[in-house]
Parts: sequence; C-alpha cells; structure tokens
Amino acid sequence: IAGITQAPTSQILAAGRRMTLRCTQDMRHNAMYWYRQDLGLGLRLIHYSNTAGTTGKGEVPDGYSVSRANTDDFPLTLASAVPSQTSVYFCASRDMPGLHNEQFFGPGTRLTVL
Amino acid sequence: EDKVVQSPLSLVVHEGDTVTLNCSYEVTNFRSLLWYKQEKKAPTFLFMLTSSGIEKKSGRLSSILDKKELSSILNITATQTGDSAIYLCALGSGNTGKLIFGQGTTLQVKP
Repeated sequence: IAGITQAPTSQILAAGRRMTLRCTQDMRHNAMYWYRQDLGLGLRLIHYSNTAGTTGKGEVPDGYSVSRANTDDFPLTLASAVPSQTSVYFCASRDMPGLHNEQFFGPGTRLTVL
Repeated sequence: EDKVVQSPLSLVVHEGDTVTLNCSYEVTNFRSLLWYKQEKKAPTFLFMLTSSGIEKKSGRLSSILDKKELSSILNITATQTGDSAIYLCALGSGNTGKLIFGQGTTLQVKP
C-alpha cells in the first residue's frame, strides 16, 4: 500500500510557466488537502476537497487551482508561477465521516520558481 | 480568526533530557488538537486530543490538552537523537475538517 504519492519530488521552474503538482492516494479517503510549508510559517492550507467533485479555498488560494475528478487524484495547478510560490508543497488526505480523524501526508514536492 | 502559536520555535537539548513543547490556540468552535512529528519529509501523526480525550501517552511521548487555558503541551522524556525533528501542532475547528497549523518547534537532540 503506497498511501499518498506526490510527483514530482522536486522541480525548478521559470517564472510565468504553468505547473501541475500531482497527488494520488490509494486509501479511498474522501477528503484531500494541499498545503505549502515555508520557514517560520508552518503549514498553510491552499485548497481542499471534502469529496470528489467539490473543492474549497483555504488560507492562501491565490495563484493556485485544484480539481477533484475522482476520489484518488487531487492535482494542484499553478497557472503562471511566481517566485513567491517557491515552497515545499504537501498533499494530505483524511478518512470521512468523522471530523476528528487525522490527516495523512504525502512526501512533498519541493518547488523553486526562478 | 482561529490561530495556533507554538513555543519555543527551536530548542537544543542533550540526550536524556526531558523537553516540553507548548501550543496555544484561539478558536471559535474547538473540535480537536493534533500533534505531528516531521523529520525529513512528510509530517507523521502523533496524537489527537479532543474534549473527551485530553491526555494521550505513547512510550516516552505524552500530551495534555488544557481547554481552560486554550493550550496543549507535548512532553518527551529521556530524549534520543532520533527525536530530532519539527513538531507541529494543529487545530481542528468548526465543521469543515480543516486543520490550522502552528509554526512548528524545531527540536535538536545532541548526543
């Protein structure tokens, strides 16, 4: 069982380019999340999805979009990357129902925008 | 606005020491408080504390929730170099299932 996988592991990207970070889980969890982690700021929620076909905005959604066509996949797209989007990106999932369940995290994608 | 603040931001101890990490929060509708350990990559789950479970223990690690003081502590006794990591506190509030994370505490345990 792989859990949550993310791709790529790392990427260097020129500003202005479009980029999609991939996230796949095989636990059949309903809810999925995208976070970015920056030094001194902890993990901040970008977008989330409580079930396939629905998405919602988190704390820092600007410049990012997501889709949830099925239960397993939750890609994050940067339409036109900017240097401030340099960060480590984590995808997470959570089993539902039950709001008290913990989130499980993928290994992360380190993105550098030049 | 819901908020989580952790202290200290970083800590250096020697093997065998006991450490206490702090997490304080402001919340409108408390659901849960979670602790995660992050080594090189993904955060891994340690504990979840709720109104019905305010104290958890696993080996050398333990955590307590103080709903009156709006805070939680994570204790690690007899620290080992393998305890070196970033420890993250996260707050679950409202009915969305979303988590709000603190900045994290970076713990370094020296031999």
